[in-house]
Amino acid sequence: SQQGEEDPQALSIQEGENATMNCSYKTSINNLQWYRQNSGRGLVHLILIRSNEREKHSGRLRVTLDTSKKSSSLLITASRAADTASYFCATARQKLVFGQGTRLTINP
Amino acid sequence: GAGVSQTPSNKVTEKGKYVELRCDPISGHTALYWYRQSLGQGPEFLIYFQGTGAADDSGLPNDRFFAVRPEGSVSTLKIQRTERGDSAVYLCASSLKPRNWVGENGTEAFFGQGTRLTVV
Repeated sequence: SQQGEEDPQALSIQEGENATMNCSYKTSINNLQWYRQNSGRGLVHLILIRSNEREKHSGRLRVTLDTSKKSSSLLITASRAADTASYFCATARQKLVFGQGTRLTINP
Repeated sequence: GAGVSQTPSNKVTEKGKYVELRCDPISGHTALYWYRQSLGQGPEFLIYFQGTGAADDSGLPNDRFFAVRPEGSVSTLKIQRTERGDSAVYLCASSLKPRNWVGENGTEAFFGQGTRLTVV
């Protein structure tokens, strides 16, 4: 069964705008990770945030984590057409469990 | 190898047949995961190996599904008496993962490109 739920399920924005995706989960975690998937095949790790961290940055990515609300958000700033993909959050405790994903489309 | 390798990349089989899907993890990675992904869905956890043993097989849908990792490296996912509902992309991932994900290092999972299984 899926641990996380992403919101929105689909997001379409113009190139240059910021994209925000949210993830909610149900149980306690050791860390939360975000992955990207192109064309329904392999996933690529983007960023990891530990349960005792509240915010983390990596390039144009910013991740927040609120363990009291069991939620996380991924912000992609200054989006590019190449950012078009599906984005998944994954919670890590005994195993790595993925949410349903957000399909992001960046329009040139 | 440089990354996680899955073979075959595509497999078409008839309903009722037996199939084996292979995963070659990154050398030295102790943890290995199998996931199943249907169109428009997130990866669904199937089984996780730490070394040679299955640390968690709670995601295997029924006893037609079985996975092995006899030498702690290559893993094979086996599906007996395949059904049309088994059609999906089967993803394998590996990591250095410490137990219980404690610690920063080596916790990211590296995925293969998947095997697209079609049962007709």
